[in-house]
Order: sequence, then C-alpha cells, then structure tokens
Amino acid sequence: GQQLNQSPQSMFIQEGEDVSMNCTSSSIFNTWLWYKQDPGEGPVLLIALYKAGELTSNGRLTAQFGITRKDSFLNISASIPSDVGIYFCAGQLTPSYNTDKLIFGTGTRLQVFP
Amino acid sequence: AAGVIQSPRHLIKEKRETATLKCYPIPRHDTVYWYQQGPGQDPQFLISFYEKMQSDKGSIPDRFSAQQFSDYHSELNMSSLELGDSALYFCASSTAGTTKETQYFGPGTRLLVL
Repeated sequence: GQQLNQSPQSMFIQEGEDVSMNCTSSSIFNTWLWYKQDPGEGPVLLIALYKAGELTSNGRLTAQFGITRKDSFLNISASIPSDVGIYFCAGQLTPSYNTDKLIFGTGTRLQVFP
Repeated sequence: AAGVIQSPRHLIKEKRETATLKCYPIPRHDTVYWYQQGPGQDPQFLISFYEKMQSDKGSIPDRFSAQQFSDYHSELNMSSLELGDSALYFCASSTAGTTKETQYFGPGTRLLVL
C-alpha cells in the first residue's frame, strides 16, 4: 500500500527561526494536505494543495505540491511558541480514484524554545 | 463556524465490552470518515460513508461496524473490545461531489480499554 515518509521526525528550534519539513511517497497523489495536531486533539487543516507545482501560503505557512506529485513540503517562517505540535502531511487520490481516504505521513514533532 | 462534533470525548471500557462512538458532521457535509490513531502513530483510515452508504473501507476489524443515518451523523460500534483497541478515534467530514473534498476532523474520542 501507499506509504508517506515524512522528515524530519522531530525538530527543536528557537523562537523566530524558520522551519522546513517534507513528505515523500512512492505513489502519486492528486491532493496533498498539511495538518497540525495538538496533544489529544484532532488534526487541524493548515493548507490544501490540489495541483502539481501549486505553491500556497497561509500566513507564516507556505506549502508546495511537488511536480512529480510524489512529494510536498511545508515551511513555517519566524516560528512562535504556539507552533509547537505535530505536523502531518496527508495524501489523497481523489478525484481520479474511487477512494477519498487520507493516507497520513509519519508526522514531524516541532518544539519551539523561547 | 460549526465543526465536527464527537461524543463521548473520553471512554473507559473493559475487555470484551462494547462501545459506541458518535460523530456529527459539519452542517451540509454528506460524507463521514473514521480514523484510528494509536499512541505515537499517525491516523489510520477505518471506514467512510457517503449519503448513508459505505463508500470505502480500510483496516477496520470485523468486530467493528459503522453506519451513517438520515441526518448524516455516524456511529462506530465496537464489540469484544481488546486492549489494543485503546486509541484516539477521529471522525472527519467533507462535501462529496466537488473537486476539493477537504476533510475536517473532530476533536476525537479517547478510548481506553482495561
């Protein structure tokens, strides 16, 4: 089955630094999504990408859908303490396939020190 | 804005007992998805429903069943509970039939099987 490899597994950075994480797959996806999850809570959608090559920003967050459709990256600029959490990428095959389940990456745990 | 509602938020059961988890999707969302997230793991897709019909099935044990009702809420029924069923269970909802079927997650139900 499809697997999403996310890196790095964890990051410890100082407040104000920029952060970059990426997701790679052995399979092609038609949609890439980035979620943030706080402990014991549900994933919160950050950015959705629907076209290969698409570059989308949401405040201090920027994400890109790789040209090969097998990868995506997420950048966070000028990190702040509330950025702490686990970031998941997720791939989706729709609309080309008869399934719209999300396949999640392994997650990147971000810790921000003041 | 209204979000996905899940109940209960926490549930403690003993082995071999049954549990029912409920999910109320975002208003006007017609598709519901269930995911299971073990400790330190990424969410894994269980099952989904569109217009009260099962639309996709993932790694859901035979001991589990689910359905979607006419008001679009969904219930996940879990029988003969095992210790390994202890996890966070998330429900997500979306609107099918569009090119951007983004899934929005609820806060989750934390199930502990003793």
